[in-house]
Amino acid sequence: DGGITQSPKYLFRKEGQNVTLSCEQNLNHDAMYWYRQDPGQGLRLIYYSQIVNDFQKGDIAEGYSVSREKKESFPLTVTSAQKNPTAFYLCASSTGQGLTDTQYFGPGTRLTVL
Amino acid sequence: AQSVAQPEDQVNVAEGNPLTVKCTYSVSGNPYLFWYVQYPNRGLQFLLKYITGDNLVKGSYGFEAEFNKSQTSFHLKKPSALVSDSALYFCAVRENTGGFKTIFGAGTRLFVKA
Repeated sequence: DGGITQSPKYLFRKEGQNVTLSCEQNLNHDAMYWYRQDPGQGLRLIYYSQIVNDFQKGDIAEGYSVSREKKESFPLTVTSAQKNPTAFYLCASSTGQGLTDTQYFGPGTRLTVL
Repeated sequence: AQSVAQPEDQVNVAEGNPLTVKCTYSVSGNPYLFWYVQYPNRGLQFLLKYITGDNLVKGSYGFEAEFNKSQTSFHLKKPSALVSDSALYFCAVRENTGGFKTIFGAGTRLFVKA
């Protein structure tokens, strides 16, 4: 997991609340990603950012929002519009220099809706 | 559209025996293929990747993968399994249509019995 930190490790959300998951990297990577992991479904891309102040929707962006104000940080907000947010959330980063660059993952945040 | 399939939900192997975790892919153009491993409640760790060149790719922790273009496969192998290899393994393919997306398989759980 080296170089990428996610906090908190566990997060509990009440119905109707927005919550923000933190992701920080010290790898000097340009690209950052957020994935959602559900049992038996692999990883699904929520949002990704190739450069500061720019980001694109992934395959399941509805109910989520992100910002990329600093190169090191890519926080994810799970809004009340996300109807089924209970999942394991993984942040990743890469150099962003092409198709062959490797993604490095943080340790994850497990979000549970109460 | 790019896709990757891991046909086995679970693989069981005895310690000391060789192991194979299967992956097949579908891409247009050149494939860029990756294997990651995930231990319980942790992020994904990069094992190895195929870009071009030798069909046998060597990676971390004694793992290797064999690229077979005619069979569109990229199977993960290890000559002698360890109990500590028990984990969830993901095959992934990099989208090569101009984006930065990586498509992950659903994962294969490997159990190595002592």
